[in-house]
Amino acid sequence: EVQLLESGGGLVQPGGSLRLSCVASGLDFSNYDMHWVRLAPGKGPEWVSAIGGTVAGTYYTDSVKGRFTISRDNSKSTLFLQMNSLRAEDTAIYYCGKRNCSGGTCYPIDHWGQGTLVTVSS
Amino acid sequence: EIVLTQSPGTLSLSPGEGATLSCRASQSVSRTYLAWYQQRPGQAPRLLIYGVSSRAAGIPDRFSGSGSGTDFTLTINRLEPEDFAVYFCQQYGNSPWTFGQGTEVEIK
Repeated sequence: EVQLLESGGGLVQPGGSLRLSCVASGLDFSNYDMHWVRLAPGKGPEWVSAIGGTVAGTYYTDSVKGRFTISRDNSKSTLFLQMNSLRAEDTAIYYCGKRNCSGGTCYPIDHWGQGTLVTVSS
Repeated sequence: EIVLTQSPGTLSLSPGEGATLSCRASQSVSRTYLAWYQQRPGQAPRLLIYGVSSRAAGIPDRFSGSGSGTDFTLTINRLEPEDFAVYFCQQYGNSPWTFGQGTEVEIK
């Protein structure tokens, strides 16, 4: 059974930093693109960032470019999101998720973690 | 960026009734890469439908997806108590991936 477990969320002041982690089990981690998606109160989900599997290209939504860095350690089946210069509007539950591309077809995120809450407030 | 607009915002229905949820895209969705998710309070999103109309593993056949281009629909036949939740559409064909703002299906 695939399991994704996020950690690292918390309360941080504007301008501060946090590092989120997502530990994966039950899958060959390096074979999958991994994503971060956030859900703020009263809003729809927002895709934040993604990283390829073995060819680890990285992708970001415009609002976090230059502030967030996604990375992965395939030997530890762990995904990271380093968040710097945090703003109030970054407050949300952050979910990691995996997606698969095979045979020329790509699929949406089919497994999600339970999320970790990030609150940016003074 | 493709903007997805869902309607209605809230749907008030009784168990056993059917539900029709709409998702309209600001431009055509590439390669039919349109998905639907269900989210219950306190839980992670659950993939229901991908590729417009394919059900994800373990999803009951009372859930169905349809549409093309810019207009998509999620239909839920005979609502069960566990179906009362928030539903999001998502396009994953163009970067950045985008989601709709959600439709809440609530018990009438």
